[in-house]
Amino acid sequence: QVQLVQSGAEVKKPGASVKVSCKASGYTFTSYDINWVRQATGQGLEWMGWMNPNSGNTGYAQKFQGRVTMTRNTSISTAYMELSSLRSEDTAVYYCAVDTAMLDAFDIWGQGTMVTVSS
Amino acid sequence: QSALTQPASVSGSPGQSITISCTGTSSDVGGYNYVSWYQQHPGKAPKLMIYDVSNRPSGVSNRFSGSKSGNTASLTISGLQAEDEADYYCSSYTSSSTLEVFGGGTKLTVL
Repeated sequence: QVQLVQSGAEVKKPGASVKVSCKASGYTFTSYDINWVRQATGQGLEWMGWMNPNSGNTGYAQKFQGRVTMTRNTSISTAYMELSSLRSEDTAVYYCAVDTAMLDAFDIWGQGTMVTVSS
Repeated sequence: QSALTQPASVSGSPGQSITISCTGTSSDVGGYNYVSWYQQHPGKAPKLMIYDVSNRPSGVSNRFSGSKSGNTASLTISGLQAEDEADYYCSSYTSSSTLEVFGGGTKLTVL
C-alpha cells in the first residue's frame, strides 16, 4: 500500500540544523510532489513547502525561506527536509505529505517526526 | 495567527449535525475551489476528509460534506458519532508565495 515512513525523533540545540527523511513506498516516487507540514505542540498545521522529486524543483513558504532545504534521493525513494538555525519555536512534529490521487489535497501523510529544540 | 479563521471548538450530541466554518479572503478560500478539510485524532497524522470544497475521497463517510460561500468554507458532519471527536483543519490554496494555508483548527467534542 502507499505509505510514507519518516525518520525518528530528534533533539537539537538552538542554532543547530535538523534533517528529517521521508521514505515513500507503494507508488512511483517521482510521480507526486512531496510537501512538508509542521505542527507545534497543541497548535495548528503549518505548510512549509514542496518539492518535485522528479526535477528537484522546490517552493518554500516565505516564513522559511533561507532556512529550509528540501532534497531527495530517487534511488532510495526518499525525500529530506533540512531546517537550519533552529530556535525553540521550531519545536514541532514535522510531516511529509503527498497528493497521490490528484485531489489538490494531501491524501497520504507520514507518521510525523518530533523535533525538539532545547538547550 | 493562522491564515484561515476557524472556531476554536464546537460540540454536539450523538446523532446531531454540526458545522465548522473556515473564513479566509479572496486570495485563498474565496478565489479558488481548492479548499480541503482534514480530521486529526490525538497523536495521529491528519486524514483527508474533503477536497475541492465538497468532494469526499474514497472511503470517507457521506456524513461528511463541504460547501463554500464567498470567503467562507464550511464542513458539516451529520449523524454525529463518538469517533468523530477530533480536531478538524481547513486548508486552501493561496495566490501568495505560500501556496497552501491552514486554519487554526477546531476541536469537535461529541457530548
